[in-house]
Amino acid sequence: GQQLNQSPQSMFIQEGEDVSMNCTSSSIFNTWLWYKQDPGEGPVLLIALYKAGELTSNGRLTAQFGITRKDSFLNISASIPSDVGIYFCAGRRDSNYQLIWGAGTKLIIKP
Amino acid sequence: DAGVIQSPRHEVTEMGQEVTLRCKPISGHDYLFWYRQTMMRGLELLIYFNNNVPIDDSGMPEDRFSAKMPNASFSTLKIQPSEPRDSAVYFCASSFHSPDTQYFGPGTRLTVL
Repeated sequence: GQQLNQSPQSMFIQEGEDVSMNCTSSSIFNTWLWYKQDPGEGPVLLIALYKAGELTSNGRLTAQFGITRKDSFLNISASIPSDVGIYFCAGRRDSNYQLIWGAGTKLIIKP
Repeated sequence: DAGVIQSPRHEVTEMGQEVTLRCKPISGHDYLFWYRQTMMRGLELLIYFNNNVPIDDSGMPEDRFSAKMPNASFSTLKIQPSEPRDSAVYFCASSFHSPDTQYFGPGTRLTVL
């Protein structure tokens, strides 16, 4: 079946550092989404991307829809403690309405 | 406005018992999704509804799982009989017009002993 490969699985960073994570697939997607899950809560949508090459920001977060339409990237600048959590990518093809989810990147900030 | 409401928040039951999880989507939303999250398998879509009609239930693990949406403001996920491997956090999510912007509930943490 369709799969999204999300990396890295986890990241240990210092407060103030920049963070990069990505999501790749062997299939083309027409929509890429990035969600964040805080501990004990459900995921929340951060950024939605609908066009190849699109670069969209949400505060310190920036996401890009890869030119090949098979990947997407999320960057967080100047990380702060509240950035901890699990970041999920999700993709959708127009052929059906089901989102395909990545396994998540767990972000941990070292004290 | 209230978000997606799920009940109970925690459920502990014994193997073989019936478990019913409940969800109230955001008013006006026409999509409803049930997910299961575990450490081993991550976030899995079980089933989703559009306008109260089940569209894709291919993620439902087996016949022990069933889901209903009798009206636009209520859905249930039932496990009968429950097994220890069903232990997980079950999320309900809803969205309007598109499956992209999904609003998740707080989840139900199910423990089957």
